[in-house]
Amino acid sequence: TQLLEQSPQFLSIQEGENLTVYCNSSSVFSSLQWYRQEPGEGPVLLVTVVTGGEVKKLKRLTFQFGDARKDSSLHITAAQPGDTGLYLCAGKTGANNLFFGTGTRLTVIP
Amino acid sequence: DAGITQSPRYKITETGRQVTLMCHQTWSHSYMFWYRQDLGHGLRLIYYSAAADITDKGEVPDGYVVSRSKTENFPLTLESATRSQTSVYFCASRAPGLRTKFFGPGTRLTVL
Repeated sequence: TQLLEQSPQFLSIQEGENLTVYCNSSSVFSSLQWYRQEPGEGPVLLVTVVTGGEVKKLKRLTFQFGDARKDSSLHITAAQPGDTGLYLCAGKTGANNLFFGTGTRLTVIP
Repeated sequence: DAGITQSPRYKITETGRQVTLMCHQTWSHSYMFWYRQDLGHGLRLIYYSAAADITDKGEVPDGYVVSRSKTENFPLTLESATRSQTSVYFCASRAPGLRTKFFGPGTRLTVL
């Protein structure tokens, strides 16, 4: 089993604050994905990072893949209430082996 | 409706009963997946299918059976439900060669 640890598990912040969520593993992944899941719905893909050290930006969200392809981070600038949700990272090791982290539940208070 | 749908959305059953969860997608994606989501474990792969009549085990297949007679459907059967199978089940699909996986809305299953 490829263990993906996410931290923190829960995060509650005020609107306008910045935050970083971490995804760590001892395994090397060929790619890593970040998903966002809202209550009562399935996860929705936000981004895929493939190359060690890669940085991708999606509006106020910045995703980074670690140099060794074992970890990743998600940074949100000026968080909005609409950012509230469960953020999941998922690492891929083979054609169909996608292992999910346990998630970070983010609440942004207006 | 276009997309990926699951039914039922909620199900309560008793230990020992057989339960089938349905998944239907309209994109003709060749790949389909079943995951379960539990607190403290995240999403774990139960079974997946690369095409009609081709299925393979994932991380936690015990106690589950799948079939894929048609590309668009991928039912998941619990032959004799146990309390440990209480969970939220998600179906997903993707096209070959692409990384984007689309998830259904989930089925919340409670086994009493």
